[in-house]
Amino acid sequence: EDQVTQSPEALRLQEGESSSLNCSYTVSGLRGLFWYRQDPGKGPEFLFTLYSAGEEKEKERLKATLTKKESFLHITAPKPEDSATYLCAVQSQAGTALIFGKGTTLSVSS
Amino acid sequence: NAGVTQTPKFQVLKTGQSMTLQCAQDMNHNSMYWYRQDPGMGLRLIYYSASEGTTDKGEVPNGYNVSRLNKREFSLRLESAAPSQTSVYFCASTYLSWGTAVEQYFGPGTRLTVT
Repeated sequence: EDQVTQSPEALRLQEGESSSLNCSYTVSGLRGLFWYRQDPGKGPEFLFTLYSAGEEKEKERLKATLTKKESFLHITAPKPEDSATYLCAVQSQAGTALIFGKGTTLSVSS
Repeated sequence: NAGVTQTPKFQVLKTGQSMTLQCAQDMNHNSMYWYRQDPGMGLRLIYYSASEGTTDKGEVPNGYNVSRLNKREFSLRLESAAPSQTSVYFCASTYLSWGTAVEQYFGPGTRLTVT
């Protein structure tokens, strides 16, 4: 069964304290891995898609990487405005829909 | 370019009432999806439409029906609402290229309470 597990469930950082969020996946062939940001009361906001192991993408303070078993979302020198829930999702070779993890809630304090 | 729009934003229903949630996208995407999001459960797929004219069940389809009205619009209907359907509902759309999703965008959500 295709599965996505995100860790930790919650992460508290001080402003400027870099860290990483993990997304482990088990799928019957990976078509793509997706990262989203979700603010309270809003819909998920698309960040990145990664398609193959070794691929990396960056956007401002965020950098996503992909291996054959997991993806990391690295946050460099975070600011309070980076506080949100970050969601990971995968699309397997067998399906057209995305399978989501439960998310990591990031809190950054000044 | 509005992206994905959903109506209504909020709704309160009594048990047994019916309603339709509307979703539209203006990005010329071929695939559309309905998810529900509950605390501790994450996003769960209800139904999806890989292309105009097709619909398929997702993980939690019971109690729901969908209609892909045209390429832009995908509606979700609750025929007889139950308290277990209290949730936040999100519509999403994506362009499938040779079966691979290329970015998936979400609407702002509909917050539904069934009493």
